[in-house]
Amino acid sequence: GNSVTQMEGPVTLSEEAFLTINCTYTATGYPSLFWYVQYPGEGLQLLLKATKADDKGSNKGFEATYRKETTSFHLEKGSVQVSDSAVYFCALSDPIMTGGGADGLTFGKGTHLIIQP
Amino acid sequence: NAGVMQNPRHLVRRRGQEARLRCSPMKGHSHVYWYRQLPEEGLKFMVYLQKENIIDESGMPKERFSAEFPKEGPSILRIQQVVRGDSAAYFCASSPETDYGYTFGSGTRLTVV
Repeated sequence: GNSVTQMEGPVTLSEEAFLTINCTYTATGYPSLFWYVQYPGEGLQLLLKATKADDKGSNKGFEATYRKETTSFHLEKGSVQVSDSAVYFCALSDPIMTGGGADGLTFGKGTHLIIQP
Repeated sequence: NAGVMQNPRHLVRRRGQEARLRCSPMKGHSHVYWYRQLPEEGLKFMVYLQKENIIDESGMPKERFSAEFPKEGPSILRIQQVVRGDSAAYFCASSPETDYGYTFGSGTRLTVV
């Protein structure tokens, strides 16, 4: 079956530090990959996505590259801010499993990021 | 253009009572998904519905849990005879017919006492 593994948290960094949150996946087909962010008390917001190998998703200074050879989709940001403090979820969608079309996402357990001023 | 609306935000139920969680998808979205987030865990897929149809309920417990998405009105996730282990955050997401653009609601946090 499909699975997503991401680094355990919490991850605590100082403002302006470089961020990497590791994510690796196992999938039967050719999944699309996502990063979602959850701020305290809120739902998940799509941060970025990539739909095929070597695609790079980017948004708000965050980037992640779909690496098929290492089955990874690590999240990076060059200079984090206090406002980036949140829980980050890596997820995949594998249409092969359900014959195509919209289907459910498989999530990692989430990584709690804490940015200190 | 309201997002995915879930209510209530917080729900407290005693063991053995019923819990009803509501989700109104984004305008124009015809696909609804329910996920459960247990403490210290990621989101787990429960059920995928389109109007008047359950497409995939492989992640939903066979007993006590049911979901519907009627022709009119919100999607409902119903949990009968709740137990303490049902305490979790339940998130609803919706998507357009032919896109992977899931939008999540803010969730309903169910506490069973």
